Amino acid sequence: DADVTQTPRNRITKTGKRIMLECSQTKGHDRMYWYRQDPGLGLRLIYYSFDVKDINKGEISDGYSVSRQAQAKFSLSLESAIPNQTALYFCATSEGGNRPYEQYFGPGTRLTVT
Amino acid sequence: EDQVTQSPEALRLQEGESSSLNCSYTVSGLRGLFWYRQDPGKGPEFLFTLYSAGEEKEKERLKATLTKKESFLHITAPKPEDSATYLCAVQAGAYSGAGSYQLTFGKGTKLSVIP
Repeated sequence: DADVTQTPRNRITKTGKRIMLECSQTKGHDRMYWYRQDPGLGLRLIYYSFDVKDINKGEISDGYSVSRQAQAKFSLSLESAIPNQTALYFCATSEGGNRPYEQYFGPGTRLTVT
Repeated sequence: EDQVTQSPEALRLQEGESSSLNCSYTVSGLRGLFWYRQDPGKGPEFLFTLYSAGEEKEKERLKATLTKKESFLHITAPKPEDSATYLCAVQAGAYSGAGSYQLTFGKGTKLSVIP
């Protein structure tokens, strides 16, 4: 079984709709991240969480919100989807601590906003 | 602002033709440099972490090296299954707010290995 799972894997929604993307991990990591990937722009950080009580904005948080329901679960919400939020979304996890730990990515959610 | 530039954007190699991918970075105090492999429609897969200039890591046909300004991913005798996009990311010493430990990614090099 995959260590980091994301649901749904594909989603088509309409402008103005609320949508939630979910991420679960079995790696036991404290830190979780949400990224979006667009052609030509690379991976950009939306939000990150160092533990259940710690949520931080990333580079491009406008239009998004997150919830850390448990150590293993981190969800991303688009309150009112717009077409330029069409992208590939990835959840990632890493260990905590002072050294720079690698991040492990989920399989991604392809979101299309029409 | 941390910057990561990867070159070339795309590279086509014949099977067995060795080459190198480049990752140049401008950061305030490098803490770690990461290489990932990404197949189409999938999440990035972790390959290597390099922490200081002079460090090298190897895995099968891949070897990553690090200097004070750039990192190279050397591919020796590549096979078609090595075809993927290779991403470089850095984590720098500057903190942001709560101490972010954020990764800054390059845009990647798309490698195609032709049989």
